[in-house]
Amino acid sequence: GENVEQHPSTLSVQEGDSAVIKCTYSDSASNYFPWYKQELGKGPQLIIDIRSNVGEKKDQRIAVTLNKTAKHFSLHITETQPEDSAVYFCAASINTGGFKTIFGAGTRLFVKA
Amino acid sequence: EADIYQTPRYLVIGTGKKITLECSQTMGHDKMYWYQQDPGMELHLIHYSYGVNSTEKGDLSSESTVSRIRTEHFPLTLESARPSHTSQYLCASSRSSSANYGYTFGSGTRLTVV
Repeated sequence: GENVEQHPSTLSVQEGDSAVIKCTYSDSASNYFPWYKQELGKGPQLIIDIRSNVGEKKDQRIAVTLNKTAKHFSLHITETQPEDSAVYFCAASINTGGFKTIFGAGTRLFVKA
Repeated sequence: EADIYQTPRYLVIGTGKKITLECSQTMGHDKMYWYQQDPGMELHLIHYSYGVNSTEKGDLSSESTVSRIRTEHFPLTLESARPSHTSQYLCASSRSSSANYGYTFGSGTRLTVV
């Protein structure tokens, strides 16, 4: 079945620096890759997503890249701010008749002021 | 602004009690899910539903049960709570389409069984 590996598990950056979180997936049939941000005491919130027919997508300070050949995708956050501190999850989704979504284990991002 | 609501936010109960965690969404989503989140952050799918009268078990074995009598409501029930059920429970929903879409999560219920 599908497996999603996420690295690193913890990431600490200085305010203003960039942060990169990487994920790999195993099933080449996966075609949808969302990213979620979970702040303390809240549920995960969808922040950006990318479909398999697109290589890169950007929304202000966040961007996601997808390499289908290598089966990996990454989240890039530029000009980090303390409010970016949270847990980030990647996910890979495949249409199996129903839709199956597999989440990565999460990355805890700390942005130091 | 939350369109998916979970109650209660926090619950402390004694062993052996029956409890129901409520989840409701106002978006008309057909697909709904329950996840258990452990202290290490990982999300484990315990139940899902693709519509009214449709329920399936997820990847993580769970002693809980769910029902889906109305599109907007997807409650989770534990018949006899145990300390091993102590966890964060997250409900989510997604729209139905021929394509995949992301999930909308509730704020979660943090359950402690003493």
